[in-house]
Amino acid sequence: ELKVEQNPLFLSMQEGKNYTIYCNYSTTSDRLYWYRQDPGKSLESLFVLLSNGAVKQEGRLMASLDTKARLSTLHITAAVHDLSATYFCAVDRDYSGNQFYFGTGTSLTVIP
Amino acid sequence: ETGVTQTPRHLVMGMTNKKSLKCEQHLGHNAMYWYKQSAKKPLELMFVYSLEERVENNSVPSRFSPECPNSSHLFLHLHTLQPEDSALYLCASSQDRTSYEQYFGPGTRLTVT
Repeated sequence: ELKVEQNPLFLSMQEGKNYTIYCNYSTTSDRLYWYRQDPGKSLESLFVLLSNGAVKQEGRLMASLDTKARLSTLHITAAVHDLSATYFCAVDRDYSGNQFYFGTGTSLTVIP
Repeated sequence: ETGVTQTPRHLVMGMTNKKSLKCEQHLGHNAMYWYKQSAKKPLELMFVYSLEERVENNSVPSRFSPECPNSSHLFLHLHTLQPEDSALYLCASSQDRTSYEQYFGPGTRLTVT
C-alpha cells in the first residue's frame, strides 16, 4: 500500500521566519499535489508538480519535487499569519486521476 | 452558484437512521469523487465516478452507497452507520479521470451517535 508521510505534523512558527514541510512517499510517482485547508473549509489546490525537479512558487510558498528521493518540500518564506492552515500533500499513484493518496497533513500556526 | 457544493454541511444521525449526502458541481466536469477525512488520519478516497459510471470502490463498507444520476450530481446514501464513521465527507470533481486538478467541496461533517 502506498504511504505518504508528512513532517512535521504540527508547526508553530513566528512571523517572518522560514520553514520547510516535508512529504515522503513510498512508491514511484511523477505527480505530486499540495493542498491547503482552512478550519471548517474545503481543500484548496496550491501546486501540482508533474516531473522530477519541478519547482513552483506562489507568493511566500515554494514547492519542489525530487522523484528519485520520493520527496517533495513546501518551503515557507517570511511567514505571515494568513498562512496559518493545514497543508496536505497527495500523490497520484497511476496517473488515472482516481488514486490520490494523501498525507496526514501539517497544521501550521503562524504566531505574530 | 459556482464550484462544488455539498449539503448538508452538518449531519447528526443515529446508527439506525438512513440519510443521504448530496454533492453538486457547477464546473462542467465529468468525474466526481467521495473522500472521507477522519481525525488524525489521511484523506481516504472512497468512490470515483466517471461519466456517471463508478470506476473505483476502495473497499468501502456496503453501508455507504453512492449514486451518480448525472455528471453534475453525486450522492452518498448512508444506512446503519457506526460511530467510527463520524468524519468529514468531502466531494470533489475534475474535468475527467486523468485530469490532475481536483476541486473540493466544503464537506459534510457527519456525527454518528
